[in-house]
This record gives sequence, structure tokens and C-alpha cells, in this order.
Amino acid sequence: KQEVTQIPAALSVPEGENLVLNCSFTDSAIYNLQWFRQDPGKGLTSLLLIQSSQREQTSGRLNASLDKSSGRSTLYIAASQPGDSATYLCAVEFPGGSEKLVFGKGTKLTVNP
Amino acid sequence: DARVTQTPRHKVTEMGQEVTMRCQPILGHNTVFWYRQTMMQGLELLAYFRNRAPLDDSGMPKDRFSAEMPDATLATLKIQPSEPRDSAVYFCASGLSTGRNEQFFGPGTRLTVL
Repeated sequence: KQEVTQIPAALSVPEGENLVLNCSFTDSAIYNLQWFRQDPGKGLTSLLLIQSSQREQTSGRLNASLDKSSGRSTLYIAASQPGDSATYLCAVEFPGGSEKLVFGKGTKLTVNP
Repeated sequence: DARVTQTPRHKVTEMGQEVTMRCQPILGHNTVFWYRQTMMQGLELLAYFRNRAPLDDSGMPKDRFSAEMPDATLATLKIQPSEPRDSAVYFCASGLSTGRNEQFFGPGTRLTVL
């Protein structure tokens, strides 16, 4: 079964800290992996997408890496800010032809001022 | 400002009533996805369209749920009859079927069935 796991479920850090969010997935033959941010009561905002041929993507203070062989991705957030507080979701497109995303349950991040 | 829009944003209804949720995908996108989010299950795919054709609805309870795309600018998800266990947030996402396959999500419809 194709599954995506995110640990921990919640993380609390002080402002200014660099942090790493983890995502693991079964089946190393993925098409792409997408990181999303979800604020309470809101929809999902796409942060970064890494295609299977890529090893990392960067946007501002965010850096996402992909290691297919170990079935892992990390989202690195530099110099965290209270505005980064949200739930971060990892989603994987596995082979199978349907283009659907399989989501992890997310990591709820709280950045304390 | 290209965004996926969904209506209604909130819906409260009684068990047994019909519920219709609507989605307008981003202009030019050719894939549309319906997801359901609950605390217990997280985000799950219900249905998926490419070029308006339904390709995967294996995640959808067929006896009460139906999804359609009457045209390229409108996708609908209907529940009839609704049940309390259908209470969830329903998200629509659209994308362009290329190698990149990035999906863009709407704000969701929060459904409460009493």
C-alpha cells in the first residue's frame, strides 16, 4: 500500500530557530513530491514541488530535499518566524496513472515569539 | 489572479438532504481533483477528472456520491442523501497534466450534516 508518513505530528520551536520537517513514503518509484502549508480553516498552499529527477528545491527560506532511495523528504525552514506557524503537509504522486496525491497527516508547527 | 474557487464555503444541512458543492478550476487547467479532509483520515482523494473525463472515483462511496464536470469551468460534487459521517472539509484542486503535475487547491467547503 502506498503511504506517506509525517513525524512528528506537532512541533513547537522558538522564533529564529532553523528546523526540519520530515516526510517518509513507501515505494521509492515516485513521480513527484509536493509540500503544502495549511493555515487553520483555510485551504492548502503549495510551497514546493520536487520532481523525481530532482534532489531539492528552494524558495526563500524554504528548502525541500528528496532522497528516493531511502523514501524520505525533508522541508528545511531557516530562521523561523511566528508567521510560519501552520500545518505542513507532504504529498506524493506515486506511479499508477491517476495523478492523485497521497497525503501525510501533516506536522503542526508552532513558532513562539 | 488565478485561483481555484469553491462554493459554498460553509454548509450545514440535515441528514437525508442533498448537498451540491461546486468548483471552478484555474482557467486552462485540465485536471480536477476532489479531496475530503477529516481529523481522523486526513486528506483522501474522492474523484479525479482529466479533460472533463472521470478517471478515478474509487475513493468515493458510489451509492450516495457523484461527481461531474458539465464543462471545463465547473466541477460538481453531490451527496444524496447526506449522512452525519459525511461531515468534513471538501477540497477541489486543479492542475495541468504535464510531467510536473502540480496541484492547486481551493479554499474548501466545510460541510456539517446534523
